Order: sequence, then C-alpha cells, then structure tokens
Amino acid sequence: QTVVTQEASLSVSPGGTVTLTCGLSSGSVSTSYYPSWYQQTPGQAPRTLIYNTNTRSSGVPDRFSGSILGNKAALTITGAQANDESDYYCALYMGSGISVFGGGTKLTVV
Amino acid sequence: QVQLQESGPGLVKPSETLSLTCTVSGGSISSSSYYWGWVRQPPGKGLEWVGTVYYNGNTYYNPSLKSRVTVSIDTSKNQFSLKLSSVTAADTAVFYCARHWSGSVFDPWGPGTLVTVSS
Repeated sequence: QTVVTQEASLSVSPGGTVTLTCGLSSGSVSTSYYPSWYQQTPGQAPRTLIYNTNTRSSGVPDRFSGSILGNKAALTITGAQANDESDYYCALYMGSGISVFGGGTKLTVV
Repeated sequence: QVQLQESGPGLVKPSETLSLTCTVSGGSISSSSYYWGWVRQPPGKGLEWVGTVYYNGNTYYNPSLKSRVTVSIDTSKNQFSLKLSSVTAADTAVFYCARHWSGSVFDPWGPGTLVTVSS
C-alpha cells in the first residue's frame, strides 16, 4: 500500500521561509492527486489551508502557498510567525474514492 | 455557512460496535456537489481517513478498515453516520466528520469527539 510521506519535524526562524513536502513511497505526486494541506493545533480540529495543489482556502493568508516541487507537493510558509507553530498534514486523492493523509510535520518556530 | 457536529457514546467496550452520527446544519446533505466523510486521530498520532458517503448512498472506505466500517446517510435528517465493528483499544481516537470534496479536500470539519475503547 502506498504511503504518503512528510518530514516528521521542521523548524523555522520568525520571519523566515520554510517548505514542507508531501511525497509518495512509490511514485511522484502530481496535480492529479489533488493535494491538500491542513494545519492543526493541539486540541483543535484541522484547518484547511490549501486544496487542489495551490488554492488557498477562505481566510488563509497569502503567506501560505502550495505547489508541486519536483516529485512532491509542497507547502511554503513565508514570513513565519509564532502562531504558525503547529502540526501540518497533507492529503492526496488516490482515485476510486480513496484519500490518504501523510503522517504530519511538526513545525517549530524558534 | 455549513457546520458539522459529531455525536455518540464516548466509551465503547472492546469487541463492540462504535456508532457515531454527524449532523449537518446550514446546508443540505443532499447536494450533489459534495461527499461526507469521517477522519480519525488516535491520541498523539496523525490523521487517518476512515470512509466517505455520497448523497445517493455510494460509499468509499479506507482499505485497511473496510471489513469493519459502514458509513450511511439519512437525507431526511441531514445526518450521516459511522459504524465501526469489533473495536479494540487501537480504535481509541478523536473522530471528526467533515464535508469531503474535490478529491482530497475535507472542509469544513466538525469539532471532533473522543471515543475511548475500554472495558
């Protein structure tokens, strides 16, 4: 079974830029996987940031952007702020009605 | 705007069936534009898609859970439901319901409900 891979943890300095990636254990991620990204803080439901690779959800600041980088989907955060410190999850559509989440990336702003 | 709310027992005994309901408000669950899904998150772990239902009753399940999961829809009540049979402690999780669309998009989400499997 295909596994969706994410970095376990990343860190970024306040005001800095960081890129989180979402890959496949076998194969490349393309727009055909309709990648989406979610932000989750402890005790809260996930918040949708990006869908269909690069469309920002309503109310999401343009500091967050989505793309395909090489063979992975990517979420880039520019001008990182303290409140960006969260867990981030990607999800991919595998076809036949099946969606798979990545294992999540814990982002620290230090 | 559309809002979702999970409801159901917070404690289930091992080997029994977990049952949850998601009530949708602010929009019709009968819309052909959307699907309705369940996602779970064990304590301290990541998100896992469980299953999804369409307004016409078509269902899609996580292959790893397919033998134990049933998702159904009741358009008259604007609700959809999850049943997970033969539960073990490994099924202890926060369960979220969400509107599911455009492939892998889950939005909006319900606040989630913790279900603990314990005797």
